[in-house]
Amino acid sequence: DQQVKQNSPSLSVQEGRISILNCDYTNSMFDYFLWYKKYPAEGPTFLISISSIKDKNEDGRFTVFLNKSAKHLSLHIVPSQPGDSAVYFCAAISNSGNTPLVFGKGTRLSVIA
Amino acid sequence: GAGVSQSPSNKVTEKGKDVELRCDPISGHTALYWYRQSLGQGLEFLIYFQGNSAPDKSGLPSDRFSAERTGGSVSTLTIQRTQQEDSAVYLCASSSSLNQPQHFGDGTRLSIL
Repeated sequence: DQQVKQNSPSLSVQEGRISILNCDYTNSMFDYFLWYKKYPAEGPTFLISISSIKDKNEDGRFTVFLNKSAKHLSLHIVPSQPGDSAVYFCAAISNSGNTPLVFGKGTRLSVIA
Repeated sequence: GAGVSQSPSNKVTEKGKDVELRCDPISGHTALYWYRQSLGQGLEFLIYFQGNSAPDKSGLPSDRFSAERTGGSVSTLTIQRTQQEDSAVYLCASSSSLNQPQHFGDGTRLSIL
């Protein structure tokens, strides 16, 4: 039973355009969400997060949007750059719980020059 | 650097042998996690340690898998009587507390022949 779902295993975007990566969750207790980026042969690195008290968090080219009623979040990268090509993992946690982050299966983003 | 360090980076062994994977977390981080990523799959949670509490072993796939964390710092993940399906990248992460972003090591790529 996947509590965090990334339904698109891969995405290709032209350099300079917007990349939109989607994530859905089922557990209504989740109240903190994170995105991680992973290059081949490296561990995932933390990218950006959002608390459930917000619906948007922006950091440079990266913006995360949260729609609590739809249990949906998305990561927008604009403009996309070839160096953004990586696997992106969505993760969620309940701050009031006692369990670690739950990760999605990841979306492989390819930014084409 | 002061990141999470894992060793070895690569391990090739014969089916049926035991293997030990090591993780040095970031100094001062009380939470330590083990994940594995099989080919084409997402991050599969295995086990986590939080301070002096009993570890959450709910993700361990079989009783051939065990982990310990000595002195609240270094952790070893042991796989006994390895099987070919154990082949994966084993990732370790640490965080300052359970609900803070996790910092990952670069993983150990385990190949069972």
